Amino acid sequence: GAGVSQSPSNKVTEKGKDVELRCDPISGHTALYWYRQSLGQGLEFLIYFQGNSAPDKSGLPSDRFSAERTGGSVSTLTIQRTQQEDSAVYLCASSLSPGNNYEQYFGPGTRLTVT
Amino acid sequence: AQSVSQHNHHVILSEAASLELGCNYSYGGTVNLFWYVQYPGQHLQLLLKYFSEDPLVKGIKGFEAEFIKSKFSFNLRKPSVQWSDTAEYFCAVRGNTDKLIFGTGTRLQVFP
Repeated sequence: GAGVSQSPSNKVTEKGKDVELRCDPISGHTALYWYRQSLGQGLEFLIYFQGNSAPDKSGLPSDRFSAERTGGSVSTLTIQRTQQEDSAVYLCASSLSPGNNYEQYFGPGTRLTVT
Repeated sequence: AQSVSQHNHHVILSEAASLELGCNYSYGGTVNLFWYVQYPGQHLQLLLKYFSEDPLVKGIKGFEAEFIKSKFSFNLRKPSVQWSDTAEYFCAVRGNTDKLIFGTGTRLQVFP
């Protein structure tokens, strides 16, 4: 079956512009996660959705970052007024359910470059 | 706060050498532990996971990891590496929240 898909695969944007990143989780997965992979920083958690609500937004680095999920499926991560330090690979993951005993499946990521 | 340390940032081995990558975590409660692998140009894939059963966990491609609670460790091992094991390896912990906390990763290069 299809895995987690993300679009676009690459995005180059000018500093100050807004960007929208999309994630399509595995069908039937109720939990969806966004992470960021920066050079030298490893993977950092950003936000987690259970259904359409976000019980944990603790990893969003600033109020320029927001995310939503509609229909319990597709999620978009929006970064407003992008800065160079936002350059990273943004990864989405989904799991059948949150909590123990469910593994997270990762998408291929969106590589964001802010010039 | 939960955290994960991977002490080896870059490991270089010849084929057939044995591998051990260190992973230590800080969290006092019940944990799930994971090793993910990212091959060049590919996305993160689960290598193996510990979910409170046998502390010696076997994963894909001959990898295994041992959970030692007293040492807060979950080291990854493989008796004989292959060139195709060249990749970046990430250890992750999940404690009392649903998010994964990752280490900074270990880059493994295997030369034929």
